[in-house]
Amino acid sequence: GAVVSQHPSWVICKSGTSVKIECRSLDFQATTMFWYRQFPKQSLMLMATSNEGSKATYEQGVEKDKFLINHASLTLSTLTVTSAHPEDSSFYICSARVGAVYEQYFGPGTRLTVT
Amino acid sequence: GESVGLHLPTLSVQEGDNSIINCAYSNSASDYFIWYKQESGKGPQFIIDIRSNMDKRQGQRVTVLLNKTVKHLSLQIAATQPGDSAVYFCAENRSSGSARQLTFGSGTQLTVLP
Repeated sequence: GAVVSQHPSWVICKSGTSVKIECRSLDFQATTMFWYRQFPKQSLMLMATSNEGSKATYEQGVEKDKFLINHASLTLSTLTVTSAHPEDSSFYICSARVGAVYEQYFGPGTRLTVT
Repeated sequence: GESVGLHLPTLSVQEGDNSIINCAYSNSASDYFIWYKQESGKGPQFIIDIRSNMDKRQGQRVTVLLNKTVKHLSLQIAATQPGDSAVYFCAENRSSGSARQLTFGSGTQLTVLP
């Protein structure tokens, strides 16, 4: 149980275009989902926290107009990288949590390459 | 051990030996700690957790030790195997406003030598 999927697993897009990444909780309902970004040989950095049905809370330094997060249902959150630039190339990882429990369940990540 | 920065600490051990990975956390208000294993190109995988009211917890081949006095966490892996090669992250969980968030350490690259 507690499986989180991401789609796509990898994507290449051209500079200036937008790309959407999906995060799904497959066998549970996630009241909260988190989006992280990870650059090579670095740690996971939290980008934003989203609760179903409400606006995402972004971490300091993360542009909310560039990284659009939608959490429309208890099993799906999406991250849209708008007007992507090469510096947005990274590994994006989502996680999901049920209620106020401590544990987060992580997705397999999405590798974004912007050319 | 782990530290804030752009370098990734490394640890190499012989297959069959025990591994000890260290982590210094930052916030004395953190009350829950988790160790994750991340293989290349994959998401973090839960290994073991510990709450702040404990100082030791054991799992299968793994033990986590927590020293709140010096804000130090360690992960011990017994009889390290080639499949244990990965990056290991500690994470601290604390309340931030109305939410609970994870803050990850910088990670340690474990390489198991044959």
